[in-house]
Parts: sequence; C-alpha cells; structure tokens
Amino acid sequence: SQKIEQNSEALNIQEGKTATLTCNYTNYSPAYLQWYRQDPGRGPVFLLLIRENEKEKRKERLKVTFDTTLKQSLFHITASQPADSATYLCALDDSSASKIIFGSGTRLSIRP
Amino acid sequence: NAGVMQNPRHLVRRRGQEARLRCSPMKGHSHVYWYRQLPEEGLKFMVYLQKENIIDESGMPKERFSAEFPKEGPSILRIQQVVRGDSAAYFCASSPDTIYNSPLHFGNGTRLTVT
Repeated sequence: SQKIEQNSEALNIQEGKTATLTCNYTNYSPAYLQWYRQDPGRGPVFLLLIRENEKEKRKERLKVTFDTTLKQSLFHITASQPADSATYLCALDDSSASKIIFGSGTRLSIRP
Repeated sequence: NAGVMQNPRHLVRRRGQEARLRCSPMKGHSHVYWYRQLPEEGLKFMVYLQKENIIDESGMPKERFSAEFPKEGPSILRIQQVVRGDSAAYFCASSPDTIYNSPLHFGNGTRLTVT
C-alpha cells in the first residue's frame, strides 16, 4: 500500500543545533516533494519544493534533500531558533498527478 | 494580496444538520483543494476542483459530502446530516496552476464541531 511516513515522535532540539526531519515514502513515484510548516490553529505554509531530478535545495537556513533510490527526503534547519518550533509536513504528488498527499507531520520543539 | 479565505473559522452543528464551508481562493487561482485534519494527524485529501469541474474526488466520502467551485463565487464543501465523526478541521488550498508547477496556498481552516 502507499505510505508517507514522518517521525511520529516529537523532536526536541537545543537552540543553535541543526534539526533534521525525515520523510520516507512507499509505492509512490513522485515528480517532486514539498515541505510545509504548520503552527497550531493555522493552515500549512509552503517552505520548499524539490524535484525528482534535484538532489538538494537550499533556502536561507533550510535545506532539503531528495533521494529517489532510498525513497526519502531529509529536511534540515540549521542554527535552529525557538521560533522554528512547529509541525513540519512533507507532501508529494500521487501517481495520478491529480492531488498532493501529506505525511502526518513531525512536531519540532527548539528549546532556548 | 489577500490569501486564501475560509469561513466560518468555527462552526458548531448538531447531529443531522447541514454544514457549509466556504473557501475563496487567492486572486488568480483557479485550482482548489479541500483537506481534512483530525487532531494530531496529517492532512487527508478530499477533493480537487477547477472552476466548474471536479477533477478528483477520490478522498471524499460518497455519502453526505459534496463540493463545488462555481464560475463565480467561493468553493463550497457541503456536509449533509452531520455525525460526530465529521468533527475535524477542514482546510482549503488554492494554486494558480497544476500541481506540477505550483505549491499550495492554504487558508486557516474551518473547525467543525458536531454536538
């Protein structure tokens, strides 16, 4: 069956360290993968998109990698700050290319 | 430039009533998606619409749920004869183009509570 899996456990990181979140998928062949941030009571906000032919994408303190062989994406936040605390969702296009499917998210907490 | 607007933000309905959730996409966006989120869970795809057309409704229950995106006006997600299990946050997202070219812009959701 098709699955998108993210760390189900919350991730607690000391301020200033690098946070690394994982997204694994099964039985999908996505053309691209996206990462979103969601704060409590709010809708998700788009962060980064990486295509299947790209290995890595960066935006300020954010970095995303995409390994189509391992069927995995890693999301890194360097020099993490308490304001980075949120739930992070990965998403990919399904095989019919008619919708974007989301993982269940990883809650990240950055302690001062 | 206003973002995706959803209303109401909170909606309380008794079992058996109808719930109507509205979504105004960003200006210039002709693609609308509806997702449902239960507490501590991810977003579950429900339906994808373009103006006047349902493109993919594979995530929407066959009974009681319907969606539309008319030529004029907001997209509407309609739930008839609500049951307690319909209680959730419903998010709408829009994009200007197909999913291959555009990320999704989300509203802040409608929280439906069925009593």
